Amino acid sequence: QKEVEQDPGPLSVPEGAIVSLNCTYSNSAFQYFMWYRQYSRKGPELLMYTYSSGNKEDGRFTAQVDKSSKYISLFIRDSQPSDSATYLCAMSGLVKTSYDKVIFGPGTSLSVIP
Amino acid sequence: GAVVSQHPSRVICKSGTSVKIECRSLDFQATTMFWYRQFPKQSLMLMATSNEGSKATYEQGVEKDKFLINHASLTLSTLTVTSAHPEDSSFYICSARTGNDNEQFFGPGTRLTVL
Repeated sequence: QKEVEQDPGPLSVPEGAIVSLNCTYSNSAFQYFMWYRQYSRKGPELLMYTYSSGNKEDGRFTAQVDKSSKYISLFIRDSQPSDSATYLCAMSGLVKTSYDKVIFGPGTSLSVIP
Repeated sequence: GAVVSQHPSRVICKSGTSVKIECRSLDFQATTMFWYRQFPKQSLMLMATSNEGSKATYEQGVEKDKFLINHASLTLSTLTVTSAHPEDSSFYICSARTGNDNEQFFGPGTRLTVL
């Protein structure tokens, strides 16, 4: 079993739809949970950063972490064509511990159709 | 804030030559920088962790003599691909960590093509 699993897609939705992206993980030591957006041929851009369980909202983006289920989600409301990109989940344990390395999911490719 | 730059953005070189890639944190001090490699349609693979003033820690399977990392200051880390071969062609991305949590900010990446 991989440490972080993510459906690679591709996922195609109409403009204005609500998008749900998900990752599951196996290591209970993970404490930090991130979502990155990566456009083709560009470096990843940090979208959301959360510590431990709970929800975090930033504009059209909401990140949810359920540590009991080892499941994290990213919701995008009112999706726009400019949201078309690959979305990578990432997670790690506490810094300066043996789980400090950030582990990335394989990424989900999203297309928002006008 | 938290901007990371990389230079060059793209490089093409002949087999057997060495290539240096720079990673800079522009508006913060980064005690730790990371170097990743990404193949097309694949996720990021961590190559090494670089702490300012000390030797880099390489991931299993990454040749430290081939991928030389130097982290000379709190704002600059360099990756040198020595004696590059076509199989080294890839997208190399650095990231920097700002403090005691694990929030990482990525550079725009460098596309290396070895002919």
